[in-house]
Amino acid sequence: GAGVSQSPRYKVAKRGQDVALRCDPISGHVSLFWYQQALGQGPEFLTYFQNEAQLDKSGLPSDRFFAERPEGSVSTLKIQRTQQEDSAVYLCASSLGQGIGGYTFGSGTRLTVV
Amino acid sequence: ELKVEQNPLFLSMQEGKNYTIYCNYSTTSDRLYWYRQDPGKSLESLFVLLSNGAVKQEGRLMASLDTKARLSTLHITAAVHDLSATYFCAELRDSNYQLIWGAGTKLIIKP
Repeated sequence: GAGVSQSPRYKVAKRGQDVALRCDPISGHVSLFWYQQALGQGPEFLTYFQNEAQLDKSGLPSDRFFAERPEGSVSTLKIQRTQQEDSAVYLCASSLGQGIGGYTFGSGTRLTVV
Repeated sequence: ELKVEQNPLFLSMQEGKNYTIYCNYSTTSDRLYWYRQDPGKSLESLFVLLSNGAVKQEGRLMASLDTKARLSTLHITAAVHDLSATYFCAELRDSNYQLIWGAGTKLIIKP
């Protein structure tokens, strides 16, 4: 596609509920990243995929967070047993490879845990 | 600790004025990014600075990079209302794929 597409745009979850956030990167982009952006802050790295391989998941805040990219294109970020502190905007970005040509970000999913 | 510090964090200015946003970073990375974010929107790439002394300009915005001082600046010339947004700088971590972000500078330009 022309850009990075994320869905849903907004998600309200009750505390304890599981959520799944989807990212559809630009076609042909090898690298895919997930970032978490709290209100009024800069994004923070969560995880990185090169094709289908998850090469770095050091930024995932807890074992409730899980990401996958099984066929090297669409990626899903899953959060189990959501907590209030998970409320944030989750941004997906893709690039040709290791920042070549820059990073293109999606519009994000705003998650609110109530 | 890897850190990117922007200042100021908030800037309110009149149209027609000039101002500079500063970005100090901590690694030996030679790649620095500037992004713009409008409220409720995603991050729009403005500049990628790849080497010491790099200077890039787009319209009223000009970005520069001094790798020895680990400092990048974003200069706004004759500001207009449409430039109101939050501006982020980010450095590329030595691993070569992870961006470390500043907290952002919220810029409000009054007509």
